[in-house]
Amino acid sequence: EAGVAQSPRYKIIEKRQSVAFWCNPISGHATLYWYQQILGQGPKLLIQFQNNGVVDDSQLPKDRFSAERLKGVDSTLKIQPAKLEDSAVYLCASSTQNTIYFGEGSWLTVV
Amino acid sequence: DAKTTQPPSMDCAEGRAANLPCNHSTISGNEYVYWYRQIHSQGPQYIIHGLKNNETNEMASLIITEDRKSSTLILPHATLRDTAVYYCIVRVALYDSNYQLIWGAGTKLIIKP
Repeated sequence: EAGVAQSPRYKIIEKRQSVAFWCNPISGHATLYWYQQILGQGPKLLIQFQNNGVVDDSQLPKDRFSAERLKGVDSTLKIQPAKLEDSAVYLCASSTQNTIYFGEGSWLTVV
Repeated sequence: DAKTTQPPSMDCAEGRAANLPCNHSTISGNEYVYWYRQIHSQGPQYIIHGLKNNETNEMASLIITEDRKSSTLILPHATLRDTAVYYCIVRVALYDSNYQLIWGAGTKLIIKP
């Protein structure tokens, strides 16, 4: 069974530039999550989708972050404009009834 | 806010059992305890979960106290590849069968030869 796929794996951008991350969840998983993980901390949920609807986006900084899952499968997370404090790993995950499976993450460095 | 408390780091000798404690004194009756681990530069990996009974799978055992205020993850024969950050997490139920994992800071487990 293929896992959660994410790209790009690594990205370096300058502050005020934009960046987009892509995620393909495990086939058949209706729920998809985007997490932000800053070095030395546990993951923090940014947004949770059920099919193409948003379940929770209360911790998404909506002035600069956006996410979509138009067809209920793939998802894109965008940051525009990026700030230095956005440097982190962005983890995508999808879930069954009982277990959340994570991708390898997209490492973002903002300089 | 995190609902779990873990020691920041622990050491264990290779081949011995690693016992990782977790405090979740404010857990509610329908909230599960989950354990994940994260090896450097990789995404978190699911280990085990439980509600109130002890659980065992091919990776580990989970012992939950009767009052459910704490639990222990046991890796029975630790190897060097078990060196990772281990997260004890409470799963919070949302509407329509949705749920979220509330993460803490985790325990960095170092297995020594």
